[in-house]
Amino acid sequence: DTAVSQTPKYLVTQMGNDKSIKCEQNLGHDTMYWYKQDSKKFLKIMFSYNNKELIINETVPNRFSPKSPDKAHLNLHINSLELGDSAVYFCASSHTVDQPQHFGDGTRLSIL
Amino acid sequence: RKEVEQDPGPFNVPEGATVAFNCTYSNSASQSFFWYRQDCRKEPKLLMSVYSSGNEDGRFTAQLNRASQYISLLIRDSKLSDSATYLCVVSTGGGNKLTFGTGTQLKVEL
Repeated sequence: DTAVSQTPKYLVTQMGNDKSIKCEQNLGHDTMYWYKQDSKKFLKIMFSYNNKELIINETVPNRFSPKSPDKAHLNLHINSLELGDSAVYFCASSHTVDQPQHFGDGTRLSIL
Repeated sequence: RKEVEQDPGPFNVPEGATVAFNCTYSNSASQSFFWYRQDCRKEPKLLMSVYSSGNEDGRFTAQLNRASQYISLLIRDSKLSDSATYLCVVSTGGGNKLTFGTGTQLKVEL
């Protein structure tokens, strides 16, 4: 009965590769998010979608491309991975943008 | 000034102690406020919403001071299991997003 599920949980890959992370929520929420949490533990928003439309794009390099095929899914594709991309990526969802967010377990991305 | 600021800690307290965290925010138009808890290597989880009149949930009390633009979290009779990072969350940017503070680390010791 996982509310927000993201896959994979761990991702280890080499610099320069392209990878995707998937996220799905079964809470019936309209809004979904991607966050990056780096080694200093600061949780920074990357993107937000409301009903499949992009509403927040926080100065993220265009190597990162989110895609929302429907309001229950928000995937993140990353091209040409760099060492600095190593972090934990969290997906989250909420009813509306100012309501509490429910987070997935996180995807731990390590770039070799 | 940062949108949301918290003392990073760590706060090391003995079991049974009362501990309080403050969080300041810069946008006077902010309307929604929350406290989240994040355990090591886990996802953030909602602890409680913060209402204008203040609210309590068991050992936890949250307060909002709009005039001084801060919210607080009080934990009474702290338990070892309360050890975690506590994140302050505030609606910013015209109410179209929530901004997370950097978190305050709490360590409850025997």
